[in-house]
Formats: sequence, C-alpha cells, structure tokens
Amino acid sequence: GAGVSQSPSNKVTEKGKDVELRCDPISGHTALYWYRQSLGQGLEFLIYFQGNSAPDKSGLPSDRFSAERTGGSVSTLTIQRTQQEDSAVYLCASSPPGRRGSKYEQYFGPGTRLTVT
Amino acid sequence: SQKIEQNSEALNIQEGKTATLTCNYTNYSPAYLQWYRQDPGRGPVFLLLIRENEKEKRKERLKVTFDTTLKQSLFHITASQPADSATYLCALANTDKLIFGTGTRLQVFP
Repeated sequence: GAGVSQSPSNKVTEKGKDVELRCDPISGHTALYWYRQSLGQGLEFLIYFQGNSAPDKSGLPSDRFSAERTGGSVSTLTIQRTQQEDSAVYLCASSPPGRRGSKYEQYFGPGTRLTVT
Repeated sequence: SQKIEQNSEALNIQEGKTATLTCNYTNYSPAYLQWYRQDPGRGPVFLLLIRENEKEKRKERLKVTFDTTLKQSLFHITASQPADSATYLCALANTDKLIFGTGTRLQVFP
C-alpha cells in the first residue's frame, strides 16, 4: 500500500515567514512523529501524536513550532517567523497499533527540505 | 543525559566481506533497539528490531546483537554488496519515542 507522504518535498522561504509542512501517514497507523534532521546530524525528535491522546511536544525547540493532527490522520507542522537555523529536513513517520514490539517500528516519509534564506 | 554513539567515520569494505557497525549507549535502559537504513535524500527505512531479552536477531544477510550489559548493539551485513552502501542508524526505545544515533555511513566497493 501507499507509504507515508510529505509535502512539499522542498520549500525555500525568507527569514521571518511562516511555513506549513504536511504529512499523510499510512492508513490505520495510530502514531505519528515529526523529526528534524540537519546536515550530518541525527534525527531530532520534535513531536509525537498517539491516537486521541494529548501530543508529546517535548521536542519542539521553541514556541515558533507547533503541530496538529486532524481526524487522527493528516498532520501539519507549522513554523512561524522562520529563522535560518530552522533550515533542515523535516521527516514524518507513522507506526502501526500494536502487538508487542511492533508499535515501535516507524515508517518514514521522504521528508521536506526546508531552506530559510 | 542519554547518549547514543555510532562511529561517525565512514566504514569502507570490499564487496563480499562482512560489514560490522557498532552502536553504544549510555544512561539508558532501552526495551527495544532498532536499526534503520537511510539513503541520501530519503527517509530512514526500518530494518530490524531486537528486544532487551533477545541476544541476536537475523533477517536474510542481516544480523543484530544486543548486549544490555555492555550497552552495545552490533549490526552485521554478510556478503556485502555495493547496493548495501548507505547510512545505518540505530535507535533505542523504552517508551513510544525513539532516540536515534547519528548513523554510520557504509561504503561497499567492488
């Protein structure tokens, strides 16, 4: 079936502008994650949604970052007043509900490359 | 604080040999450890998951070991091929969140 999709694939924006990044998880997956990956760096956890529970926002780097997930499916990551240090690849992943262990397998989208000029 | 270490230097090996990648961690007691493959410009792809009570897991040419005493996992690719060239990430979890290492780039040359 279809994998995780993200849009846009590339986004160039001017410093100070707001951007919205979209993630469509795999159908039936209850968990959705956002990560950020800077050049040569590991994946930095941003936020996690699980079903109807309150999201885990512990990884958001500042209050300029927010995310929502509508209807338990599509998610949007919003960055307000973008800064140059926000330039990175933003990756979304989803996980199936789970039998023992499987809920930790994450299926990643191709990412959105954000460049702030 | 929790720390995951993977060799930041690229591993270069000849086709047909066994590649061994290392993942060490500190200040953490993961219930699960996972390995992912990431190709340039793409998201990571899940390869294997091993639980804390498992010593070894195999899948085709891949083998993962998990030593909770040494706080280390080894990832082996036997009979390596140029198509195995990629960055390999280890990730740890004991809740719903994964903590990723920075990855090791593997280059298999003919």
